[in-house]
Amino acid sequence: QQPVQSPQAVILREGEDAVINCSSSKALYSVHWYRQKHGEAPVFLMILLKGGEQKGHEKISASFNEKKQQSSLYLTASQLSYSGTYFCGTPAPNNLFFGTGTRLTVIP
Amino acid sequence: EPEVTQTPSHQVTQMGQEVILRCVPISNHLYFYWYRQILGQKVEFLVSFYNNEISEKSEIFDDQFSVERPDGSNFTLKIRSTKLEDSAMYFCASSEYAPVLAGGTYEQYFGPGTRLTVT
Repeated sequence: QQPVQSPQAVILREGEDAVINCSSSKALYSVHWYRQKHGEAPVFLMILLKGGEQKGHEKISASFNEKKQQSSLYLTASQLSYSGTYFCGTPAPNNLFFGTGTRLTVIP
Repeated sequence: EPEVTQTPSHQVTQMGQEVILRCVPISNHLYFYWYRQILGQKVEFLVSFYNNEISEKSEIFDDQFSVERPDGSNFTLKIRSTKLEDSAMYFCASSEYAPVLAGGTYEQYFGPGTRLTVT
């Protein structure tokens, strides 16, 4: 049930765009995205709902693929503060299954 | 802004000892969770708690672990007979609704974590 993320790591220059993918073996009901900076707790970024509605961060967007078994997170015009590990989370009745994580590093 | 708090921030214990990790969830939240993250690895679900009982637990959460809400504000994780492999960051989280209620629109708020080191 744990979603798989790709890529595992990515390095960007400030201002570049990035896409992070979260894949599941089952159709996704909704996908939660969190960012974790080194030594800190995961921080909620946004939720992507099954109808495509999004709730959360203004400068970050996400989408489903056709079968809703993959969600992609889009980071545009990246800033240094975007650096961290991004986790997707797929909800089960009473918990979230977190993905394997994608380490994003933004350099000047 | 309300936040989840955890104490202590760092706990060092000897193998075989018992530890209690404490969390104060956001006051109007009804669902509470414990997660574990071994250094450099993914966040792993341990247990969820609602209405004074465990609602779900992972295979990691065996008889060595227990959770309790001893009063109206605290939520604790007890680890008995600690092992070296229990060394990890333990995060408490809370949410207003269950994951799939409210159309899955809730979010979980994480505490800053307790770093447990078993020597």
